Amino acid sequence: GDSVTQMEGPVTLSEEAFLTINCTYTATGYPSLFWYVQYPGEGLQLLLKATKADDKGSNKGFEATYRKETTSFHLEKGSVQVSDSAVYFCALRNSNSGYALNFGKGTSLLVTP
Amino acid sequence: GAVVSQHPSWVICKSGTSVKIECRSLDFQATTMFWYRQFPKQSLMLMATSNEGSKATYEQGVEKDKFLINHASLTLSTLTVTSAHPEDSSFYICSASGDGLSGANVLTFGAGSRLTVL
Repeated sequence: GDSVTQMEGPVTLSEEAFLTINCTYTATGYPSLFWYVQYPGEGLQLLLKATKADDKGSNKGFEATYRKETTSFHLEKGSVQVSDSAVYFCALRNSNSGYALNFGKGTSLLVTP
Repeated sequence: GAVVSQHPSWVICKSGTSVKIECRSLDFQATTMFWYRQFPKQSLMLMATSNEGSKATYEQGVEKDKFLINHASLTLSTLTVTSAHPEDSSFYICSASGDGLSGANVLTFGAGSRLTVL
């Protein structure tokens, strides 16, 4: 079945550091890929998405490119802020699985001043 | 647009009682709703998928008689945890899928409901 693997956390960075959170997937067909963010005490929010190979999703300085050849969708940000501290989830959505989202385990990010 | 309201956000109940969690799509019609469970420091695990007017489809290992899901209208789905026990304590999250105001399909999450069973 479909699955998502993302790097284990927690990740601790200093403010203005470069962020990469790795995400790889296994899926049949042509899934859509997502990054969701969960701030402390809040629900999931869509951060960005890509629906086909080579698409780049971007939002709030975060970027991720859908790489079919490496089955990856790594999340990057050039300069993180304290307010980016949250848990980040990589997910895929596939018509083969009824359009439910299949999540990775989440990566906790802590940005220190 | 595409807002999903989930209620209650926190609930504490005694062991053996039942708890109902509501999930409402506020500005779009949710043809499909998904219910997830999230354990501390874990990912979201899909429990069931419900289409309006149909019986929910449960994931393997999820007891359908324990987690009753009703999706009687295009804007409301409910999850009832029956005869709750401490091991049912968790964070329950719904998401709703449907056509938004622009006609494009949307998928939006509720803020979640934290259940603590004493």
